[in-house]
Amino acid sequence: AQKVTQAQTEISVVEKEDVTLDCVYETRDTTYYLFWYKQPPSGELVFLIRRNSFDEQNEISGRYSWNFQKSTSSFNFTITASQVVDSAVYFCALRSAGNMLTFGGGTRLMVKP
Amino acid sequence: SAVISQKPSRDICQRGTSLTIQCQVDSQVTMMFWYRQQPGQSLTLIATANQGSEATYESGFVIDKFPISRPNLTFSTLTVSNMSPEDSSIYLCSGTDGIYGYTFGSGTRLTVV
Repeated sequence: AQKVTQAQTEISVVEKEDVTLDCVYETRDTTYYLFWYKQPPSGELVFLIRRNSFDEQNEISGRYSWNFQKSTSSFNFTITASQVVDSAVYFCALRSAGNMLTFGGGTRLMVKP
Repeated sequence: SAVISQKPSRDICQRGTSLTIQCQVDSQVTMMFWYRQQPGQSLTLIATANQGSEATYESGFVIDKFPISRPNLTFSTLTVSNMSPEDSSIYLCSGTDGIYGYTFGSGTRLTVV
C-alpha cells in the first residue's frame, strides 16, 4: 500500500524567511512519481512539480526547490525568501501502480508580513 | 496538459436531496478520478470513473451514495445522494493521460444544511 506523510500540519514564518516542507513516502513499487501541489484559499489545486523515481536530481524553479532522496524516501520542498502569496496548503502526492494519486495530509503554510 | 471545467463551483443544499457535479475535459484523458476533501483535511479518493462501465470505488464509498458516470473520455459526473451535513466538503475531479501528470477541476464546495 502507498502512504504519504507530511509531518508538519502547520508552519508559520515571517516574510523573507526560508521554509522547508517535509514529505516522506512509502511504496513497494520501483517505478513511481512524486508530486507537489499548492492549494490556495480559493480551493483549486495548483501543480508545482512532478518527479519520477529514477530522477534524483534536485530541481530549482525560481524561489522553489525540491530535494528528492530515495535513500530516505523523502521529497522535501523549500521556499526561499517566502512571500505572503505563498500562504496556502501544500500537498505532497505519490502515484504508483493504478495511476491514482495518494495524498499526504497537507501542510498549511502561513507567511506573515 | 488538459483543462477541466467543473461545475457547480459551490452549492448549498437541503439534507435529503441530491446534487450532481459535472466535469468536462478539453481533451481526452485516459483516467478520471473523483476526490472528496472534508474541511481542513486532505484529499480522499472516492472512485475511479471508468468510461462506459461502472466506477471503481475505494473502501468506504459506495455506488448508491456516490453514483458516477463517464459516458466518454472527456466527461464525468458525480452525484452525492441523500445528502446529510456530513457530506459538506469540497469535491474535486481529476484527469490524467498517464504521461504528463494530473489535472484537477476547480472544485465544488458543497454545504448541506
